[in-house]
Amino acid sequence: DQQVKQNSPSLSVQEGRISILNCDYTNSMFDYFLWYKKYPAEGPTFLISISSIKDKNEDGRFTVFLNKSAKHLSLHIVPSQPGDSAVYFCAADWGNQFYFGTGTSLTVIP
Amino acid sequence: EAQVTQNPRYLITVTGKKLTVTCSQNMNHEYMSWYRQDPGLGLRQIYYSMNVEVTDKGDVPEGYKVSRKEKRNFPLILESPSPNQTSLYFCASSSPGTSAYNEQFFGPGTRLTVL
Repeated sequence: DQQVKQNSPSLSVQEGRISILNCDYTNSMFDYFLWYKKYPAEGPTFLISISSIKDKNEDGRFTVFLNKSAKHLSLHIVPSQPGDSAVYFCAADWGNQFYFGTGTSLTVIP
Repeated sequence: EAQVTQNPRYLITVTGKKLTVTCSQNMNHEYMSWYRQDPGLGLRQIYYSMNVEVTDKGDVPEGYKVSRKEKRNFPLILESPSPNQTSLYFCASSSPGTSAYNEQFFGPGTRLTVL
């Protein structure tokens, strides 16, 4: 059973607007959450992470929000740029094991 | 250049023919891991290793073996491949001793087809 879920397979956003990617999880024992970006024919690359003891982490245009009571995290990209078009995976860490979501394909329209 | 390398990048084989996918990292990372990516299932962890001679099962270890005899290398072994192991495989590494230990560096992937 999928412990980390990304229910939106795809998302399209106009350049300059905000992109919001969502992720839900079932295991309350996860202690770290991460977002990775993946371009075609390449391996995923790390984007941003958040500890389970925090509710927000910001890095430039990227902000991750964690709502532990709802078991939900989201990635905000502001402003969105065409180079942000990629597949985004959320992931969770529990005892050195990592669980990934199914990915959301983001398209930023110029 | 800091990187994770995988070989081969593409492989077509037949059922039952043993194969090994190599993974090597030049960042002196302690943690290494293998994942498979399948449509609709995302990335799933196969095996991971916290250090030399220490390996543990991930979420989907059945049909796979690994070894960690040197810090830099973490080969994935399919002793008797089956068609359901057709997938895109990624190796990754990270350094648990740092604040960024969760931030795994991924290799470019190996596309495996088992006929």
